[in-house]
Amino acid sequence: DGGITQSPKYLFRKEGQNVTLSCEQNLNHDAMYWYRQDPGQGLRLIYYSQIVNDFQKGDIAEGYSVSREKKESFPLTVTSAQKNPTAFYLCASLGQGYNEQFFGPGTRLTVL
Amino acid sequence: SQKIEQNSEALNIQEGKTATLTCNYTNYSPAYLQWYRQDPGRGPVFLLLIRENEKEKRKERLKVTFDTTLKQSLFHITASQPADSATYLCALDMYWGDKIIFGKGTRLHILP
Repeated sequence: DGGITQSPKYLFRKEGQNVTLSCEQNLNHDAMYWYRQDPGQGLRLIYYSQIVNDFQKGDIAEGYSVSREKKESFPLTVTSAQKNPTAFYLCASLGQGYNEQFFGPGTRLTVL
Repeated sequence: SQKIEQNSEALNIQEGKTATLTCNYTNYSPAYLQWYRQDPGRGPVFLLLIRENEKEKRKERLKVTFDTTLKQSLFHITASQPADSATYLCALDMYWGDKIIFGKGTRLHILP
C-alpha cells in the first residue's frame, strides 16, 4: 500500500533534549512538508522540500532542522532551541502535477 | 494583512440536513482552493479542489463553491450523517504554488 508513515505516534521529551521525528513515503512524491498543529489552530508550515538535497524554511522554522538525503525520507529534528515544542506534528507529500497533499498520521510530541 | 477565516465556532447540524461551512480570505489571490477533513488525532485527508475559474464542484454528497469576487468558498454536505462529524480545513493554493496555506478549520458535529 502506498502512503506516508510517521513514527513514533507519541513522543515524550525532557526539556533541553533534541528529538527527531521520522517521515517516510512510498508514493514517489517529490515534495514533502512538515507542519505543526496546536489546539484550535490551523496547520503552520515548518519546512518543506521540493527535491532531494534541497529544503526551504516555512513560516515557523526557528528551533527546527530537517534533511532530505533520500526522496522517501524527510526527518524533522526539534531542537532545544524551540521554545514551545509540545504540539501535533504532521508530515505531508505532494506529487508532481498534483495539488492535493497527502498527510501522515502525525506525531504528538510532549515536552515534560 | 493576509488572512483565512473559517467559522470559529463549532457547527451543530441535525442529521439529514445540509451542513454549510464558510471559508473567507483577504489579500490572497489563490489559483485553487482545497478542502480537507481531519478527524481527532489524525492527519487531514483531501476532499475536493476547485479552480479559480470554476464556480462549483460536486463529489457525491459534497459541494464546493468558489466566489473570487467575494473571496469566499462554501462547503456543503447534503444529507449529513453522524459519520461526517470532523474538522474541515480550507486551504489556499497560490499561483506560485510550492506551498498551500491552511485555515484553522471548522469543527462540525452532526447530531443524530
